[in-house]
Amino acid sequence: DVKVTQSSRYLVKRTGEKVFLECVQDMDHENMFWYRQDPGLGLRLIYFSYDVKMKEKGDIPEGYSVSREKKERFSLILESASTNQTSMYLCASSLGRGPGGYTFGSGTRLTVV
Amino acid sequence: TQLLEQSPQFLSIQEGENLTVYCNSSSVFSSLQWYRQEPGEGPVLLVTVVTGGEVKKLKRLTFQFGDARKDSSLHITAAQPGDTGLYLCKRTDKLIFGTGTRLQVFP
Repeated sequence: DVKVTQSSRYLVKRTGEKVFLECVQDMDHENMFWYRQDPGLGLRLIYFSYDVKMKEKGDIPEGYSVSREKKERFSLILESASTNQTSMYLCASSLGRGPGGYTFGSGTRLTVV
Repeated sequence: TQLLEQSPQFLSIQEGENLTVYCNSSSVFSSLQWYRQEPGEGPVLLVTVVTGGEVKKLKRLTFQFGDARKDSSLHITAAQPGDTGLYLCKRTDKLIFGTGTRLQVFP
């Protein structure tokens, strides 16, 4: 069964820490995405990548960066965690630029204290 | 960012009832996807509708793409507790999701 795996289901970090959220897919998908999900705000796109070493800003990139050194891995980095980055983070992948759907990971619930 | 508005925002019903949720855009789009997200999990793709006026059925779920290609609906017949979740629509030509409909089906 194809999968998108996020390294942690739950994470608690302190304000100011550098946080790495890892996402790995085993489907040879070109595209990978990071969203955050907050009550009342829906899914908001942070960053996405259409190819290795390529990255594009989404709607809310401030305070985040990403890394895609290998096709299967897309990492989200919180440079200096803040309490307003407490959220559910969802990684997804998709094949090509067509209407193919996203495959999501199970999410990482990050709490910044 | 072009919005996808979903309605209703919340829906709480008894097992066996029928329901319809809606996804509307201010602009025409080429195709649309529906996802369901269960608590504690990521969204899962249910269907992609591609042609204006298209109707697709997935067991008790019926998906319709509006003739004008600016809206879509999801109808659930005889809802079951297993249908509980957050239903999301997404345009395939944009990276944005709809605002979501949270459905709770009580036994």
